[in-house]
Amino acid sequence: DAGITQSPRHKVTETGTPVTLRCHQTENHRYMYWYRQDPGHGLRLIHYSYGVKDTDKGEVSDGYSVSRSKTEDFLLTLESATSSQTSVYFCAIQQLANTEAFFGQGTRLTVV
Amino acid sequence: QKEVEQDPGPLSVPEGAIVSLNCTYSNSAFQYFMWYRQYSRKGPELLMYTYSSGNKEDGRFTAQVDKSSKYISLFIRDSQPSDSATYLCAMSAISTGNQFYFGTGTSLTVIP
Repeated sequence: DAGITQSPRHKVTETGTPVTLRCHQTENHRYMYWYRQDPGHGLRLIHYSYGVKDTDKGEVSDGYSVSRSKTEDFLLTLESATSSQTSVYFCAIQQLANTEAFFGQGTRLTVV
Repeated sequence: QKEVEQDPGPLSVPEGAIVSLNCTYSNSAFQYFMWYRQYSRKGPELLMYTYSSGNKEDGRFTAQVDKSSKYISLFIRDSQPSDSATYLCAMSAISTGNQFYFGTGTSLTVIP
């Protein structure tokens, strides 16, 4: 298994509170991604990183920010959580562009 | 029109059957194709990665790409109850940067 650890695995939070999800990798892969998975929508890209301090937006980036200060860590922050951000969040890593991408086990986030 | 279309199923087959899972796509630039298996409440697990057209075999799994028809398939031979999962297709192109486009997944049940 690719060395990807997501934390926390489950979280319940209240509307309006900030939330940070962490993705940690031990593979020294350059690219890291945050996706959300919702019924009927599949996996949708939130943000991705192509190196330390280098990030870009995906198709559903509104309400989310990311940071990558070290190769191994990619943080996803919900500045002010809303119920529409209730979802399962997956981190993925990739060594080179357009090569195999490997996923973490997911974080199940519920915003009440 | 979605970039990638995948029949959600559900698909139910008897143990030992040959399973065919399919995705169609609209962007002729796609040239990198992946199939993932996702068990309930788990992260997607990479099964197959192929580049451009042709077939690739790995054990009981065969991935097929027909770029002229914009159609990819995953065949599972001698299906087992442990193959019961949701199968996701994904694809990308150099022109799409690091954006992977996913199908919404096909739910498969293999009945003993």
